[in-house]
Amino acid sequence: DAGVIQSPRHEVTEMGQEVTLRCKPISGHNSLFWYRQTMMRGLELLIYFNNNVPIDDSGMPEDRFSAKMPNASFSTLKIQPSEPRDSAVYFCASSLRTNRGPEQYFGPGTRLTVT
Amino acid sequence: EDKVVQSPLSLVVHEGDTVTLNCSYEVTNFRSLLWYKQEKKAPTFLFMLTSSGIEKKSGRLSSILDKKELFSILNITATQTGDSAVYLCAVYNTDKLIFGTGTRLQVFP
Repeated sequence: DAGVIQSPRHEVTEMGQEVTLRCKPISGHNSLFWYRQTMMRGLELLIYFNNNVPIDDSGMPEDRFSAKMPNASFSTLKIQPSEPRDSAVYFCASSLRTNRGPEQYFGPGTRLTVT
Repeated sequence: EDKVVQSPLSLVVHEGDTVTLNCSYEVTNFRSLLWYKQEKKAPTFLFMLTSSGIEKKSGRLSSILDKKELFSILNITATQTGDSAVYLCAVYNTDKLIFGTGTRLQVFP
């Protein structure tokens, strides 16, 4: 299994540009999570999906952020327009949801720099 | 508000030392507690704990949960430079993981 795949691995863009991050979860997993990690705030959950349906997007910072999961093997996180404060590492994780708790598997992350 | 607090924030030790990392939580609908290790990339899973008092062990790492006092500890014995990382504690509350800010461990030769 290739694990969770994210692209791009690095993204440098100018303020105001649209940024799209992509994620392919582990085959067979039914939950997908988008996280943002910064030195100041640590690892923050932005949004998660169960069976392709968004369940909780309360962590999405503002309307500039949106996420979709059109099918079980693909998800996107879009920032439009991007701002310098969006600079962070964005992780996608997937899991097989159980009652006891998810053992989440993280992708390698996308390091986003907005200048 | 649900929260997970880790201490210390950072720790510097020499190879061979034993360290104890702490994680306390206030989370509604607690289901399990997980420990992750993060080096210069994505977090990797270490342990999942669901029952009090039962130690989970993997090599030099071990962890235990106290659901009455709402905390967990992660012990690393005979530390090595390869143990240098950020150790993250997370609590699962039926739907999602709530992460602490982590403990940064540096092990020097």
